[in-house]
Amino acid sequence: AQSVTQLGSHVSVSEGALVLLRCNYSSSVPPYLFWYVQYPNQGLQLLLKYTSAATLVKGINGFEAEFKKSETSFHLTKPSAHMSDAAEYFCAVSESGSGGGADGLTFGKGTHLIIQP
Amino acid sequence: EAGVTQFPSHSVIEKGQTVTLRCDPISGHDNLYWYRRVMGKEIKFLLHFVKESKQDESGMPNNRFLAERTGGTYSTLKVQPAELEDSGVYFCASSQLPGRWTSGSGGELFFGEGSRLTVL
Repeated sequence: AQSVTQLGSHVSVSEGALVLLRCNYSSSVPPYLFWYVQYPNQGLQLLLKYTSAATLVKGINGFEAEFKKSETSFHLTKPSAHMSDAAEYFCAVSESGSGGGADGLTFGKGTHLIIQP
Repeated sequence: EAGVTQFPSHSVIEKGQTVTLRCDPISGHDNLYWYRRVMGKEIKFLLHFVKESKQDESGMPNNRFLAERTGGTYSTLKVQPAELEDSGVYFCASSQLPGRWTSGSGGELFFGEGSRLTVL
């Protein structure tokens, strides 16, 4: 069975500082991995995805994530935080490559990113 | 192009009442998904429609939940009778392809803003 663990329900960084949001996954097969973001009063938006191509994945708004099989991790980073990055971030895994079903998209509990001025 | 829209954005009802949530997917998207997030927990899959047919409803919690997608366009999710534990945010998502991701392909799920349900 697949699962996702996001370390830290809240992460606070200063504006301009490095953003690091941690995600570890469990999967019995090579997984598809995703980061979604939810800005206040908006829907979930796909930031980036890993689909077995390059292990370093670049997404929107300057975010990137690196797939590390040996560590079963898919941490999200951004070199310099901006106030507009304040949102809730979700890591997700899918074994089947499908959005639905028991082996479809499985989400972590989410991490609130707080940006201090 | 309009995104996935959900209505209502917030509903407050009493235990035992009925609530119907609606989702309008992106035009032309055959695949429609419902997910739910109970407070403090993960977002969890409820069910998947392909056009008007239920492809997978393995995530539906119990028979108090009824989802329909007549005509393969918008979908409704009815909770009857509502219980306290049904409170949470219900997300709808749609995709053109059946959510199967390969490098460079589509299948991305587009999510709505969610409908927040509070059962008192």
